[in-house]
Amino acid sequence: NAGVTQTPKFQVLKTGQSMTLQCAQDMNHEYMSWYRQDPGMGLRLIHYSVGAGITDQGEVPNGYNVSRSTTEDFPLRLLSAAPSQTSVYFCASSLLAGGQETQYFGPGTRLLVL
Amino acid sequence: DQQVKQNSPSLSVQEGRISILNCDYTNSMFDYFLWYKKYPAEGPTFLISISSIKDKNEDGRFTVFLNKSAKHLSLHIVPSQPGDSAVYFCAAPRGAGSYQLTFGKGTKLSVIP
Repeated sequence: NAGVTQTPKFQVLKTGQSMTLQCAQDMNHEYMSWYRQDPGMGLRLIHYSVGAGITDQGEVPNGYNVSRSTTEDFPLRLLSAAPSQTSVYFCASSLLAGGQETQYFGPGTRLLVL
Repeated sequence: DQQVKQNSPSLSVQEGRISILNCDYTNSMFDYFLWYKKYPAEGPTFLISISSIKDKNEDGRFTVFLNKSAKHLSLHIVPSQPGDSAVYFCAAPRGAGSYQLTFGKGTKLSVIP
């Protein structure tokens, strides 16, 4: 049981490049989400999904796209990277059972945009 | 507009003593609160939670207190251990039944042996 996995662990991009951050979970969780953490800031929600084919925006969605084709995977796409997207990205998942379920986080992807 | 606030960026405590981490919130509609613990280079892990129908929840060395009238909660760790050194985040779902968490900025706890 791997829980929530994220790849890559670290990535350097040049401004304007695109990339996809991968997130997978093996707990059959319906809910998945992406957060970013910046120095001196808490985690801020980027996008979330309540099931395959359903996604919605969080607090800071601009510059990011997501899709959810399977229950297990929830990739985050940066279409044209900007230095402001330098951050640590965390994926999380949980069951959907009426609220107050524990959310499990992956180990994070550290992204540097030059 | 930060709805969950942790005003102390850092806290140092001697091993064996009590650690008290504080969190304030502005949205009176919040009905559930969580504390997450984060070690460097790892993702946050769930520590303890409290529902607004309670004023206290205990789990071993960790106790969370909720004061709804003051919109304040605190996490007590007794006794503190060096392994407790981490960043602690206070969080709340954005609305009843919501899975979207809003986080405080975190407090870095250092437990000195």
